[in-house]
Amino acid sequence: GENVEQHPSTLSVQEGDSAVIKCTYSDSASNYFPWYKQELGKRPQLIIDIRSNVGEKKDQRIAVTLNKTAKHFSLHITETQPEDSAVYFCAASINDYKLSFGAGTTVTVRA
Amino acid sequence: SQTIHQWPATLVQPVGSPLSLECTVEGTSNPNLYWYRQAAGRGLQLLFYSVGIGQISSEVPQNLSASRPQDRQFILSSKKLLLSDSGFYLCAWKVGGNTEAFFGQGTRLTVV
Repeated sequence: GENVEQHPSTLSVQEGDSAVIKCTYSDSASNYFPWYKQELGKRPQLIIDIRSNVGEKKDQRIAVTLNKTAKHFSLHITETQPEDSAVYFCAASINDYKLSFGAGTTVTVRA
Repeated sequence: SQTIHQWPATLVQPVGSPLSLECTVEGTSNPNLYWYRQAAGRGLQLLFYSVGIGQISSEVPQNLSASRPQDRQFILSSKKLLLSDSGFYLCAWKVGGNTEAFFGQGTRLTVV
């Protein structure tokens, strides 16, 4: 099955700086790559996603890039704020119904 | 609008006791349903998914089972809990296609 690796496991950034989280996937047939944010004590929620026919997508301060050849994708958060502190999960999907998640990155934004 | 209900929120069970966690979805028909377990440093591990009533796919060998007796009901069970079954269990649903998955509030299970 699909194997998704995520790095780093923890990330501490100064408020206002950028944060980058990287993921790799194993199955070249994967075609959908969402990112979820889980705040402390809450459920994971989708923040952005990208499909395999697109190389980059941006939504305000967050952006995701996809390199299909290298089988990796990244989340970029610019101008980080304290409310960006959370656990972020990348995921990859080969078919319509199964998502494989990475191990998560705990992001801490220091004021 | 669609909502997902998962209960209980927390559960403490002795080793060897049975388990039943329930998840229901409202506002949609024929959803794909999922059970995930979240362990520290291991992300969201897919345990079971279902694309229809009575259809269950298991992702990892384990002490747990799942059932879907109704279109919008998904149940996670065990006959005898092990200490290693402790964790945070999340139910989720999505429609077909590459679309967003919606998670329940989760159940924190502690096996003692």
